[in-house]
Amino acid sequence: DQQVKQNSPSLSVQEGRISILNCDYTNSMFDYFLWYKKYPAEGPTFLISISSIKDKNEDGRFTVFLNKSAKHLSLHIVPSQPGDSAVYFCAASEGGYSTLTFGKGTMLLVSP
Amino acid sequence: DTGVSQDPRHKITKRGQNVTFRCDPISEHNRLYWYRQTLGQGPEFLTYFQNEAQLEKSRLLSDRFSAERPKGSFSTLEIQRTEQGDSAMYLCASSERIGTGSETQYFGPGTRLLVL
Repeated sequence: DQQVKQNSPSLSVQEGRISILNCDYTNSMFDYFLWYKKYPAEGPTFLISISSIKDKNEDGRFTVFLNKSAKHLSLHIVPSQPGDSAVYFCAASEGGYSTLTFGKGTMLLVSP
Repeated sequence: DTGVSQDPRHKITKRGQNVTFRCDPISEHNRLYWYRQTLGQGPEFLTYFQNEAQLEKSRLLSDRFSAERPKGSFSTLEIQRTEQGDSAMYLCASSERIGTGSETQYFGPGTRLLVL
């Protein structure tokens, strides 16, 4: 069973507009969530994280929102830039445990 | 460069051969993780170390896989008698665990393995 789900395999956005990437989870014990960005043939690069005690965390153009009751989080990128084109992974971990559970990723394409 | 490094970046081997990968974590990080990623999937946890102790192994880690972190610094992942199903990207990550707080894992560039 997939505990972290990214239901959109791909997303296309125009440069300058907002990109919204979604992630759902089923394990109510998850309490720390991260977003990673991955280019082909490279390892994932950490973008932003959020603890379950918060509902929003912002870092520059990136904002992550967490809705614990819906077991849903989203990553907002605004404004989107062509260099943001990559695969974005949502990941989660449980308190006291370190292993990350990843979704399958969403490929974002930002066109000029 | 103070990031996580992995060697080699690419490995092609024949079925039945043994392969070994190396990971050098960020120097002050006490935790080191191995993940595997196949096409169309997210990374899947294999095993992790705190200092030199291997604390957890996934059921994905068959008996043909062994990992070590002898001095609590670099780590090696060995696959014996490779099978075509072992073809994947092998990712290493490190983090610094302080108390019981949440931690962020930082990934290396990965080793892409192709078993013919």
